[in-house]
Amino acid sequence: DVKVTQSSRYLVKRTGEKVFLECVQDMDHENMFWYRQDPGLGLRLIYFSYDVKMKEKGDIPEGYSVSREKKERFSLILESASTNQTSMYLCASRREVEQYFGPGTRLTVT
Amino acid sequence: RKEVEQDPGPFNVPEGATVAFNCTYSNSASQSFFWYRQDCRKEPKLLMSVYSSGNEDGRFTAQLNRASQYISLLIRDSKLSDSATYLCVVNPANTGNQFYFGTGTSLTVIP
Repeated sequence: DVKVTQSSRYLVKRTGEKVFLECVQDMDHENMFWYRQDPGLGLRLIYFSYDVKMKEKGDIPEGYSVSREKKERFSLILESASTNQTSMYLCASRREVEQYFGPGTRLTVT
Repeated sequence: RKEVEQDPGPFNVPEGATVAFNCTYSNSASQSFFWYRQDCRKEPKLLMSVYSSGNEDGRFTAQLNRASQYISLLIRDSKLSDSATYLCVVNPANTGNQFYFGTGTSLTVIP
């Protein structure tokens, strides 16, 4: 069974803090993704990575950066958290056409 | 215009009913289509891919209409366990890893 884990289920941070969200997959997938999910907007792609140290912007990269130093780990960084980044963050990895999602991190920025 | 659009519902149907969801997409070059299921407070999981000729998996049937740019999901003999949000997902041919998700259609199956 493919397993994608995320470092936290719930996170509360203050405006201006630097936030790290970690994602680990155990199936040696090359492609990994970070999405955010908001009511009425669905899942929107923030960044994806197709290999170690390789990344591409998705639809809403502003205010975010990513890091992929090892194949199994893909990190999302909020350089200076803002209240409009309060959301559910979902990590995924992909094998062929199927994406496997982690359980999500609900981030609240106050 | 959104890449993928779905009727958010909610659809409330009795057990045993047949229910259908549609989803429209804007990029005529889109190549891959999927339905994902997301339970409340859980992550999305692949329900089924949608093939050009249509495909069936038990009580679930998915169809693609390229001319009208929509995909559909039909659920027959609804079960209580089918209650979930169903997400339509499209992968345009020229964008590799870019998958566009609809906002989802909420289904509640009532005893």
